[in-house]
Amino acid sequence: QITLKESGPSLVKPRQTLTLTCSLSGVSLDTTGVGVAWIRQPPGKALEWLALIYWDADTRYRPDVRSRLSITMDTSKNQVVLTMTDMDPVDSATYFCAHSRQYDAFWGGYDYWGQGALVTVSS
Amino acid sequence: QSALAQPASVSGSPGQSVTISCTGASGDLGRCNRVTWYQLHPGKAPRLMIYDASKRPSGVSNRFSASQSGNTASLTISGLQAEDEADYYCCSYVDSCDYVIFGGGTKVTVL
Repeated sequence: QITLKESGPSLVKPRQTLTLTCSLSGVSLDTTGVGVAWIRQPPGKALEWLALIYWDADTRYRPDVRSRLSITMDTSKNQVVLTMTDMDPVDSATYFCAHSRQYDAFWGGYDYWGQGALVTVSS
Repeated sequence: QSALAQPASVSGSPGQSVTISCTGASGDLGRCNRVTWYQLHPGKAPRLMIYDASKRPSGVSNRFSASQSGNTASLTISGLQAEDEADYYCCSYVDSCDYVIFGGGTKVTVL
């Protein structure tokens, strides 16, 4: 059984840097095809995909916030870390990490999710 | 930035069917991997309902079906039940696998 759990601050001040950690169990980050993404949902709004890191450390970012994001992984701890700089109140959201698997012929989608971490940006 | 267009809301009575469309900008859908669909109940984590445009993960009711043709995908819920009331999102890779986007979400209401 694959599980994911987000951890990090629930409150950050404007212009600060947010660091969130996703801890995985039941799968190794370096398993071929594995990807972990960060996805957020502002209150009352739609899901927003932010970033993705693959098992081989290849990364992808949402274009409009790319300059503020960094996604990394620590295979020894089986963790994925997202940093987001210059936080603004509009970045207040529930942040989810999610697991996916890329197979030879298809993408398996985000099949396992963490429970989400609510982050509020306020002074 | 690309976007996936979904209707804001659809509704149906118990037992009826509803269909949610998901339309990408030219060439978005299908260029890299096929559409996935998620169900989101308030306060809960999203649940994968469909992957590879039409496949259901284990545990997802066969009342949920989906298809994709060119730049449009659709999700159909048959035999609507109260528990199906939720928000539904389509999701796809875009721009030759450069990144991923979600649709704007569709609220399904069971009357």
